[in-house]
Amino acid sequence: NAGVTQTPKFQVLKTGQSMTLQCAQDMNHNSMYWYRQDPGMGLRLIYYSASEGTTDKGEVPNGYNVSRLNKREFSLRLESAAPSQTSVYFCASSEASSGAYNEQFFGPGTRLTVL
Amino acid sequence: QKEVEQNSGPLSVPEGAIASLNCTYSDRVSQSFFWYRQYSGKSPELIMSIYSNGDKEDGRFTAQLNKASQYVSLLIRDSQPSDSATYLCAVYNFNKFYFGSGTKLNVKP
Repeated sequence: NAGVTQTPKFQVLKTGQSMTLQCAQDMNHNSMYWYRQDPGMGLRLIYYSASEGTTDKGEVPNGYNVSRLNKREFSLRLESAAPSQTSVYFCASSEASSGAYNEQFFGPGTRLTVL
Repeated sequence: QKEVEQNSGPLSVPEGAIASLNCTYSDRVSQSFFWYRQYSGKSPELIMSIYSNGDKEDGRFTAQLNKASQYVSLLIRDSQPSDSATYLCAVYNFNKFYFGSGTKLNVKP
């Protein structure tokens, strides 16, 4: 099993360009998440999908949109990239949308630079 | 007030010593607690999960949970240079995971 995969690994954009970050998991997990990680800021939740067909905002949703394409795939879109969106983006998944036993696993990350 | 608080460190310990990492959380109804290890330039890797009060041991790692004090800790016995990384504490609550900013651990040979 590959676990959680993300594409691309690296990306450089110019201000105003758009792009979509792809994420897929093969663990049959219900919930999927998008985080960004900036130096000294820890992991901040952008959006999450508790189950197929639902999405909700996290702590820092502005400037992003998401699509839960099916149970396996959860994409993150930047419509008009800004330098403040330069960050490392992680996708993660977990088995249950509620309940105590709910370990979360991360993909390898996408390093995005917006010039 | 942040949901999850950790001392940013760095915490320096000699090889073979016990490293003690601490975390406090603000929401009393939090359900599950996790420790992740993150090497520089890599993604977080789950190393321990704990769901009930007390200790949970896995190899050289012991997680401790005290819900009354809203406190989670991670002990690393016989620390190795390969344990040098940033350790993230995470708390699960109502469909979301809340992460601390992480504690950087340096294990000196």
